Amino acid sequence: AQKVTQAQTEISVVEKEDVTLDCVYETRDTTYYLFWYKQPPSGELVFLIRRNSFDEQNEISGRYSWNFQKSTSSFNFTITASQVVDSAVYFCALSGRVNTDKLIFGTGTRLQVFP
Amino acid sequence: SQTIHQWPATLVQPVGSPLSLECTVEGTSNPNLYWYRQAAGRGLQLLFYSIGIDQISSEVPQNLSASRPQDRQFILSSKKLLLSDSGFYLCAWSSNTGLGVHEQFFGPGTRLTVL
Repeated sequence: AQKVTQAQTEISVVEKEDVTLDCVYETRDTTYYLFWYKQPPSGELVFLIRRNSFDEQNEISGRYSWNFQKSTSSFNFTITASQVVDSAVYFCALSGRVNTDKLIFGTGTRLQVFP
Repeated sequence: SQTIHQWPATLVQPVGSPLSLECTVEGTSNPNLYWYRQAAGRGLQLLFYSIGIDQISSEVPQNLSASRPQDRQFILSSKKLLLSDSGFYLCAWSSNTGLGVHEQFFGPGTRLTVL
């Protein structure tokens, strides 16, 4: 069975702190994709990143970075020098069967960044 | 560029009343379309997905139904709403071209309250 676990329900940090959001996944597929989405208070989910299972290189985009480790089935997301605008719920997701684009979402981590 | 629209933005309906939520996508052809529900403080539950006109798969048995009368139009309906239908309904689309699993792009959502 496929599953995504985001064990951190809620994280609170003070602005400029670094914060890491954990994501652990389970799948028997050899080919799969992992995603992160951001849901700000407005509600709309914003796509952040897609990573396929054959690409274990870490990725950095501005203050955001992602650490994909197949050995531990983890795809963690780090925000460096957090800002108040980073406050949101963040979802990790795993592709279901390839060719359907269906995603399995974790339960999300609510990040609160205080000034 | 592609955009996705949902309406209405908010809706308050009595138990037993009908429901119709609409989603339209612009700027792409033959997209995969999805309906999700997010209960308060919870993750996303996939309700329906569609790979083409009149091709719809249901993920969760319930009193909701979906239809896709046109390529870029996806409608979520109910004949009689239940209290448990309250939630935040999100429509999403993904590309239907190329290989691999594509990221989904979400609409602004409809917040439904059933009283």
